[in-house]
Amino acid sequence: SQQGEEDPQALSIQEGENATMNCSYKTSINNLQWYRQNSGRGLVHLILIRSNEREKHSGRLRVTLDTSKKSSSLLITASRAADTASYFCATDVGANNLFFGTGTRLTVIP
Amino acid sequence: GAVVSQHPSWVICKSGTSVKIECRSLDFQATTMFWYRQFPKQSLMLMATSNEGSKATYEQGVEKDKFLINHASLTLSTLTVTSAHPEDSSFYICSARDGSGGNQPQHFGDGTRLSIL
Repeated sequence: SQQGEEDPQALSIQEGENATMNCSYKTSINNLQWYRQNSGRGLVHLILIRSNEREKHSGRLRVTLDTSKKSSSLLITASRAADTASYFCATDVGANNLFFGTGTRLTVIP
Repeated sequence: GAVVSQHPSWVICKSGTSVKIECRSLDFQATTMFWYRQFPKQSLMLMATSNEGSKATYEQGVEKDKFLINHASLTLSTLTVTSAHPEDSSFYICSARDGSGGNQPQHFGDGTRLSIL
């Protein structure tokens, strides 16, 4: 399976703390994307990092990509209760569709 | 930004009923749309890739006669769950990519929760 594995499966932190989620995948990729899903809703695209990029920032989000280790991490700084959601990584291998990871359920406690 | 609208958001119906779910790209044209199924607390499972003007490409294990996909225009794809049974109850999500080039994100609808009694 090309599906990515995410770690941890669940994460609970206090508001204001940083949250780090990791994603590992199996094959070469064109890019890796991170999405957020609030309970019972669709996915929202957060950030896309290309295979030739190593780090990308968007507001309080920081994504790294290590293609040699086939891994990526998503860091959310200064977390807020509204960040509570499930976060998925997805790999684009050039096959038109995306392969989604198993997801990390983040709970930010006010 | 690119918006994908999915309708209905919630369906409850009796076993044996056929249910149609619509997925529309509101402000862009999508030659390709994707249909996913998601079980509680699990990841998204790709069911099929919907191609405008041609037949959908189904993933292994997905019954094409059970899950009918039509992509008649560049802004609309429909998924019809035929003769639905309780085991078809799930959360169905569509997505579309804005642009045919690489390195493009997918834009997702808000999903349809299907409950078969």
